[in-house]
Amino acid sequence: DGGITQSPKYLFRKEGQNVTLSCEQNLNHDAMYWYRQDPGQGLRLIYYSQIVNDFQKGDIAEGYSVSREKKESFPLTVTSAQKNPTAFYLCASSGGRENTEAFFGQGTRLTVV
Amino acid sequence: QKEVEQDPGPLSVPEGAIVSLNCTYSNSAFQYFMWYRQYSRKGPELLMYTYSSGNKEDGRFTAQVDKSSKYISLFIRDSQPSDSATYLCAMSRYSGYSTLTFGKGTMLLVSP
Repeated sequence: DGGITQSPKYLFRKEGQNVTLSCEQNLNHDAMYWYRQDPGQGLRLIYYSQIVNDFQKGDIAEGYSVSREKKESFPLTVTSAQKNPTAFYLCASSGGRENTEAFFGQGTRLTVV
Repeated sequence: QKEVEQDPGPLSVPEGAIVSLNCTYSNSAFQYFMWYRQYSRKGPELLMYTYSSGNKEDGRFTAQVDKSSKYISLFIRDSQPSDSATYLCAMSRYSGYSTLTFGKGTMLLVSP
């Protein structure tokens, strides 16, 4: 089945630690995105990538980093510089070119303890 | 003024009712409009995708776009308890590699 796989589903982190969230897609989509979702805040764009080895900051990139070494993979690292990292993180992809709609993974719930 | 406004609800309706969900937006450059359904602790699922003004129907769902009023709607006919979820509107300016701007979502509760 084609789709977007995020792992893990739940993640706990101690303050001061970096943590990496995985996102893999087998839809052959060019573009991939990371969003953060907080209660009452909607989805906010963290980073996005339109092609391999290239990515752009979104609205709330501070304290996050990404890489895009393969078309299928777009991992997100939440660094210790992120002041309020507890949130629900969503990865998405889109086909690009004429296809604007994005398809989402099932999310990773990150909790800082 | 936020780019996309959406009433957070909750909107409570009885089973079988017609549901109307709405978003308004301020940026007239938006041309592509989407509706997503999100169940609790799950990723959003694409329901409807429309370009420019007009209506689009898919089963019990109808998406409506009025660009002159900067207003979009999603209608759900014969609502079911399984429709209980948060509905997110999203929009973009360009086709292709374009990021989406989301509303905050409306929680819908359909009671049996």
